[in-house]
Parts: sequence; structure tokens; C-alpha cells
Amino acid sequence: GESVGLHLPTLSVQEGDNSIINCAYSNSASDYFIWYKQESGKGPQFIIDIRSNMDKRQGQRVTVLLNKTVKHLSLQIAATQPGDSAVYFCAEKKGGGGTASKLTFGTGTRLQVTL
Amino acid sequence: DTEVTQTPKHLVMGMTNKKSLKCEQHMGHRAMYWYKQKAKKPPELMFVYSYEKLSINESVPSRFSPECPNSSLLNLHLHALQPEDSALYLCASSQIGQGENYGYTFGSGTRLTVV
Repeated sequence: GESVGLHLPTLSVQEGDNSIINCAYSNSASDYFIWYKQESGKGPQFIIDIRSNMDKRQGQRVTVLLNKTVKHLSLQIAATQPGDSAVYFCAEKKGGGGTASKLTFGTGTRLQVTL
Repeated sequence: DTEVTQTPKHLVMGMTNKKSLKCEQHMGHRAMYWYKQKAKKPPELMFVYSYEKLSINESVPSRFSPECPNSSLLNLHLHALQPEDSALYLCASSQIGQGENYGYTFGSGTRLTVV
């Protein structure tokens, strides 16, 4: 069946270094792939998305890469800061187009930023 | 107002109790969602409402009963829950449209404990 999953459950990086969080998906006709950040006691917060027909998209300090050949999604965070410490989820979004879409989350990676 | 507000933030209920979780948004979003999140797990979709009508029920047990009284409000009625239903219940909302990724805005959740 279809699934969205992650390779690493925990990632520890030093402040100032770049972080790369990975996600694999098995079989999808998703319209968008999205990264969310969830801090303790809060709901998921949108970081960046990428349309399924794109390879790369950049935001402020973040870049998402989509490799459809190997069904792989990654989130790169430049100059990681202590405030980046959180759990990161990839998610795939299907549907919409006049009705509500369906957002399915992957298993999550905890990012720990050390000083 | 760019928030999704969930009440209460914490709820402890017995297995014979009836309680309700509430969610409110004033962003004009016409899609609203309930997710369930267990500790260290990704959010799992429960229900989707499009234009105040239930469009997706992810085979959720009938002890969970959603209600969308108007475009700004979403309720989740709880009855005869089990201890394994203890979790963080997240509400989200989004616009409905075609061609664009209308992001989900999540609330901070209700932490539910069933005793």
C-alpha cells in the first residue's frame, strides 16, 4: 500500500551546521509533498511544500528536494539554530480541486540542535 | 485572525462520560479536519469536512462523532471511550480550491486522557 516514511528517527546537529532530514514514499499520486515542524505542545506548523512536478524548492533557510525516480523527499535546513529543534514530518497531499484534500503524514524525525 | 483555536487544552474523562472537543477558525476556510496523534507518532486523519459536510471518515469507531454546525466551528463528540483513545486530538482547517496548495492550519490540540 501507499506510505510515507522516514529513514532516521533522531538527528543531532551542532548549531550552525546544515541539517538534512529524509523521507521515503512508496507509491503515490500526490499533488504536493509538504514538510511540517511540530514543537512540544503545539500542532504541526507548515514549513515548505513542493509540487509533485518539481524537483527543488527553496525558502528562507530551507530547501526541499524531490526525487521521483527513487521516491525520496528531503528537507535541508541551513545554519541550524536551537529554535529548529522539533519533530519534522513529511506529508503528502492528495485531492482537493473543489473539495477538501487528504493530508497523510510520515513517521517523523526529531531534530536536536546542540550548542 | 490566522489561528485555529481548540478547547479545552486538556481533558480527563472516564469511560462512561460524554464530552466534546471544540475547534474554531475565522479564516474563511471551508475545509476542516480532525486528526489523532499518539505519543511519538504522526497525526492520523480521522474526519474531513468540506463545506460543512462530512466528506471523509477514516473508519473511525462510532464512539467518536464529529459535527460541523457552521463554517467556523467543528466539534468532536466523545462517548464511551477506551483508555487507548488517550491522545492529542488536532483540528486543522484549509481553503478549498484548484491548482494551488492551500496549506493546513493546525490548532495546538486537546490532550485527552481516558481513565
